[in-house]
Amino acid sequence: GESVGLHLPTLSVQEGDNSIINCAYSNSASDYFIWYKQESGKGPQFIIDIRSNMDKRQGQRVTVLLNKTVKHLSLQIAATQPGDSAVYFCAENRPRNYGQNFVFGPGTRLSVLP
Amino acid sequence: NAGVMQNPRHLVRRRGQEARLRCSPMKGHSHVYWYRQLPEEGLKFMVYLQKENIIDESGMPKERFSAEFPKEGPSILRIQQVVRGDSAAYFCASSHSPGHPLNSPLHFGNGTRLTVT
Repeated sequence: GESVGLHLPTLSVQEGDNSIINCAYSNSASDYFIWYKQESGKGPQFIIDIRSNMDKRQGQRVTVLLNKTVKHLSLQIAATQPGDSAVYFCAENRPRNYGQNFVFGPGTRLSVLP
Repeated sequence: NAGVMQNPRHLVRRRGQEARLRCSPMKGHSHVYWYRQLPEEGLKFMVYLQKENIIDESGMPKERFSAEFPKEGPSILRIQQVVRGDSAAYFCASSHSPGHPLNSPLHFGNGTRLTVT
């Protein structure tokens, strides 16, 4: 299940089940979104991206869904494995004339139970 | 081809000391971004630099923090007179151009974890 408190929200799933991690973004002008995975002691690692003119994109075992109407992004991981345990962040790119302008969400910790 | 290199990986400083964090971007990259991550939180933008220029420092605290990216050598994030609240992980990312991330993706380092005692 999912819990929200003073710390990162945590999603616990059984190994082999599907995981869905959600993210609300704030700026309707954001044109590009990335999901990152961050393992303990490491930097963010790119998982999958989606442009604002799309509503779904699939990768290997991962799918990102974008709902611009409600400014919501989700990451679906199929057949979750122990190696998927990490913190997941969404990031929205707010376009500007020069340079990148990513704003990161607060993150969700995914815990895969054996 | 080495990725973004940050050093040191861990840094311990006493209150009032200075902290210097280094970031060597990927080869061929001349754009560097610094982010701060407090425990159990997301990454917060601090500053964006191009070689010898600060492009956007809107996320930098007004005092004690400074950043540079000289013509030669790594980018440096400098924190003077550190306080306990500066304890965090500091991440650097680089890109090869100022263009859209679709054309010039960001690459992250593994961060420097600063602990202020």
